[in-house]
Amino acid sequence: NAGVTQTPKFQVLKTGQSMTLQCAQDMNHNSMYWYRQDPGMGLRLIYYSASEGTTDKGEVPNGYNVSRLNKREFSLRLESAAPSQTSVYFCASSEARPDRDGYTFGSGTRLTVV
Amino acid sequence: GEDVEQSLFLSVREGDSSVINCTYTDSSSTYLYWYKQEPGAGLQLLTYIFSNMDMKQDQRLTVLLNKKDKHLSLRIADTQTGDSAIYFCAERGTGANNLFFGTGTRLTVIP
Repeated sequence: NAGVTQTPKFQVLKTGQSMTLQCAQDMNHNSMYWYRQDPGMGLRLIYYSASEGTTDKGEVPNGYNVSRLNKREFSLRLESAAPSQTSVYFCASSEARPDRDGYTFGSGTRLTVV
Repeated sequence: GEDVEQSLFLSVREGDSSVINCTYTDSSSTYLYWYKQEPGAGLQLLTYIFSNMDMKQDQRLTVLLNKKDKHLSLRIADTQTGDSAIYFCAERGTGANNLFFGTGTRLTVIP
């Protein structure tokens, strides 16, 4: 009953470095999401994937790319990290149309870009 | 697009009731949710309410929905220090596949 697993939990990058945040879910959910959380700004949607093989931009996609590798996995890539991307990143998953179960969230990746 | 608003901070004394408020703009919202985020953790679903309901109670939690005013509230009875967290409301509109989240309310419980 792992739910949504994110790796790594913490990461420090230098400006310009690249990295990939990993997310996997074991609930057979169709939809997966990447959010960033910044103080006073709540959750902002970066990208989402309504189903395997599809991805769409959210509210703040610039500077990020995603890959829906299969039904279980949805990765977020920063090609050239910037200090403005310092944030906490959350992955979530849900049924194709969220109902009473809403989204299930991972525990987050805390990223610092120096 | 949808707009979900919450006040940022709330402080209450241990044992008192807490009321966290949320307003939303999508009149076609079907499901509305409350999530809790403890320090250093992800968001956990606390409860939901379907749009044809006015109230839902679950132990110490009471959710009130006023569709006319597009207002959602979460009441926590007998608030404990373990209730200190950030609380997010979220809504899903008819036909929508995504949830829209508020900014979160940081609840601080004073012993």
